Amino acid sequence: DAKTTQPPSMDCAEGRAANLPCNHSTISGNEYVYWYRQIHSQGPQYIIHGLKNNETNEMASLIITEDRKSSTLILPHATLRDTAVYYCIVGYSGGGADGLTFGKGTHLIIQP
Amino acid sequence: GAVVSQHPSWVICKSGTSVKIECRSLDFQATTMFWYRQFPKQSLMLMATSNEGSKATYEQGVEKDKFLINHASLTLSTLTVTSAHPEDSSFYICSARVEPGSYGYTFGSGTRLTVV
Repeated sequence: DAKTTQPPSMDCAEGRAANLPCNHSTISGNEYVYWYRQIHSQGPQYIIHGLKNNETNEMASLIITEDRKSSTLILPHATLRDTAVYYCIVGYSGGGADGLTFGKGTHLIIQP
Repeated sequence: GAVVSQHPSWVICKSGTSVKIECRSLDFQATTMFWYRQFPKQSLMLMATSNEGSKATYEQGVEKDKFLINHASLTLSTLTVTSAHPEDSSFYICSARVEPGSYGYTFGSGTRLTVV
């Protein structure tokens, strides 16, 4: 079973910030939080990952709570092309031999 | 960045025939590759883990004789669906583990298999 909990769907207005929450209360100390997204009929696309500190890249920001039991992915200025299913996944930083366990994700719909 | 190329992007085959799907790492060596299956409106489910030069390991409930995996080189893994049936119709996606310390995993663009 996936070790994360996400809302099944969210709407966001184009141009606004999209904030996607994720609960991972059973995360272990050396597990990272990964975010991927999947646009319809494509393979998942890496967005961002983090361990303890907040992270930012050209796509998004990741805010991890101090107790690491939850996180929020922020798309600062959502566009229609950001409509996708967003997956929050916990796992090891490429060091594990296991594949990723995907939950059901959040279907983010950007409204014009 | 690390890129995985998956081919074909879609295929239609007749029941009882076999289909091969290729997954290539283009700019890095992939010691480990993963194969996922995704049914409509569902999430990705890990089918098997493919290690270069050794036998693949399959997740519980996945028939290893039906889904043949070969990882003969550091840049190529193949998944062959043998004696395909309509219930094998699905979206198949490969993934490669990027080197430790990086972001971990990169995915192919997927293969839509339709068995008629």
